[in-house]
Formats: sequence, structure tokens, C-alpha cells
Amino acid sequence: DSGVTQTPKHLITATGQRVTLRCSPRSGDLSVYWYQQSLDQGLQFLIHYYNGEERAKGNILERFSAQQFPDLHSELNLSSLELGDSALYFCASSLGTHAAEKLFFGSGTQLSVL
Amino acid sequence: DQQVKQNSPSLSVQEGRISILNCDYTNSMFDYFLWYKKYPAEGPTFLISISSIKDKNEDGRFTVFLNKSAKHLSLHIVPSQPGDSAVYFCAASAGGGSYIPTFGRGTSLIVHP
Repeated sequence: DSGVTQTPKHLITATGQRVTLRCSPRSGDLSVYWYQQSLDQGLQFLIHYYNGEERAKGNILERFSAQQFPDLHSELNLSSLELGDSALYFCASSLGTHAAEKLFFGSGTQLSVL
Repeated sequence: DQQVKQNSPSLSVQEGRISILNCDYTNSMFDYFLWYKKYPAEGPTFLISISSIKDKNEDGRFTVFLNKSAKHLSLHIVPSQPGDSAVYFCAASAGGGSYIPTFGRGTSLIVHP
């Protein structure tokens, strides 16, 4: 058990809809990262928050947004969903922002857009 | 443009033999390299890491080798066990503003009994 909790585990929705993915980081970790894993793709970095502030953005679409709340949990909002958004979305946490830090991953949310 | 490449999507090895998983990178600024292991229906878990000041790091059955001039690293598992069957991701990051790990696409290792 990594200590990182992601909900829901599975999400099935239709094109054009909006969903929210939730992540609770490991106790004491201030950093939350969101990654997307599509079929045959590696883990694509979406966005990073540290102690409530956005610190880095990767290949995140404008239809996607995220935030980290004062209790450090994070939510990833996906709107105007398209078929191509179907993927496994991982949240990871770490203590800080050092390049050598290992990330602790949740078990992911499998999103299926039909 | 893939900065971290794992060119072998899959690898099959007999139990007890050595497994060698390879990873190449293009960004010379990378100075930390981490390997993660992922079982089905679980998130990746950290396995072993190496910094650019070293060329080898060992942890039990797992050894990572780094060849900076070739921009290549490899993960050796000796001896391989059926429980090692998983997807292995190579990740790289740099200091300063580039601390976000960049991941490869992963290599699926199957260890046959």
C-alpha cells in the first residue's frame, strides 16, 4: 500500500461529459503529481502541485484542470470528454520537489469515455 | 519527442536467469534515474535509482548501470523470479526546474517458472 488513495477506481461516462478524479496523498507529502497512461503509452505528465500551488504543467489539455486543496488532497477535472481521453490516470505524491525523490503512486482511475 | 526510450516492449526470461532491461535517454541534463515496477491493477512502485555521479547502484537482486556517455542505463535482475513479472518503467529527471520525472513507455517482463 503506497498510502496514496485515488477515487474512483473506474469511471465510465459519455462524450461531452465532465468528471472529477480525486487523490489523497501520502501523509506528510506536500507534492501531488497527475499522470495519464494511454494504451501503449508511457506515463505522460499532466500537472504538479506543491502545498496548494501549481508548480509545473505538462501535456495537459485546456479542457482539463486541477487543484490542490488546503488539506493537500487534489482533484483533476476533465470536461468536454472525448473518446481519446479514455486512459488510466495516476496520481502520485512525494515529500517535496527534489529531482531525486521517488514518487508514491495511487492505483489509478480507469476512465472509459463511450 | 521521447526523451526517455525503452525500446523493448516486452522481455521473456527463464526463472533463475538474468533479466536485463534497457533504457536510453536523449536529454543530457538528466541526472537522476529511477526504475519503477508496476503490477496489473496497481500503481507503479519505486524499485531502485541512480544519480549521474555514479555508474552502478545495487540493491539485493537488482542492479542499475548508468553509461552517461552513451546516455544509456540498464536494470539487471539476478536471479529472476516469477514474482518479478511486471511492467518496468524507466524515469529520468534533472535538478532545478526540471525535477518532474519523464517516464519511458515501459517494458513488460515475464519470468517463466
